[in-house]
Amino acid sequence: QVQLQESGPGLVKPSGTLSLTCAVSGDSISTSNWWSWVRQSPGKGLEWIGEIYHSGTTNYKSSLKSRVTISVDKSKNQFSLKLSSVTAADTAIYYCARAPYSGTSLNDVFDIWGQGTMVTVSS
Amino acid sequence: DIQMTQSPSTLSASVGDRVTITCRASQSISRWLAWYQQKPGKAPKVLIYKASSLKSGVSSRFSGSGSGTEFTLTISSLQPDDFATYYCQQYNNYPRTFGQGTKVEIK
Repeated sequence: QVQLQESGPGLVKPSGTLSLTCAVSGDSISTSNWWSWVRQSPGKGLEWIGEIYHSGTTNYKSSLKSRVTISVDKSKNQFSLKLSSVTAADTAIYYCARAPYSGTSLNDVFDIWGQGTMVTVSS
Repeated sequence: DIQMTQSPSTLSASVGDRVTITCRASQSISRWLAWYQQKPGKAPKVLIYKASSLKSGVSSRFSGSGSGTEFTLTISSLQPDDFATYYCQQYNNYPRTFGQGTKVEIK
């Protein structure tokens, strides 16, 4: 079955860059899916950050757009998130998730999620 | 951005109770709404999509309804495994946005 696994540093210094990778197994990243990042601040709700298609097309949340880059590495079947100029407000659990693009009734719904990885911004 | 507002924020109920959670969108999203269940320390899991379609493998005690700006998630007979936090999410527009969540607690 399809599985997503996040990885990356759990601690990032203020003003630094948060970098995470999501490894995809059981599916090719080149299939008709959007590959997304969603975060959840401690005790708070869910916030969509952005997504990428295997072609490289991206969509970002506008309030984060100036700091976010999502990229795809087809050779490694993974996609990545970079968030620059981080502050304590970026401390959160970061999830990667899949949303089918076509060919299913679940189009655009986050049907597969990674387990999440906690990132703390602190000096 | 489309704001999604859930009510109540917390709900105390007993096993066997019928439970209803409401989600309101700040503008029409047609039927492009999903409901997720999240348990502590776990990722969200989709229950309902397109407002009322039950994801394969999800118990039929979960149902969804609504269109436009008003939506509901109903659990027909609450079971011990259902105590969790529930989120609605719109996928009609970018950015995708979620409600703030409804925690279903044991009464």
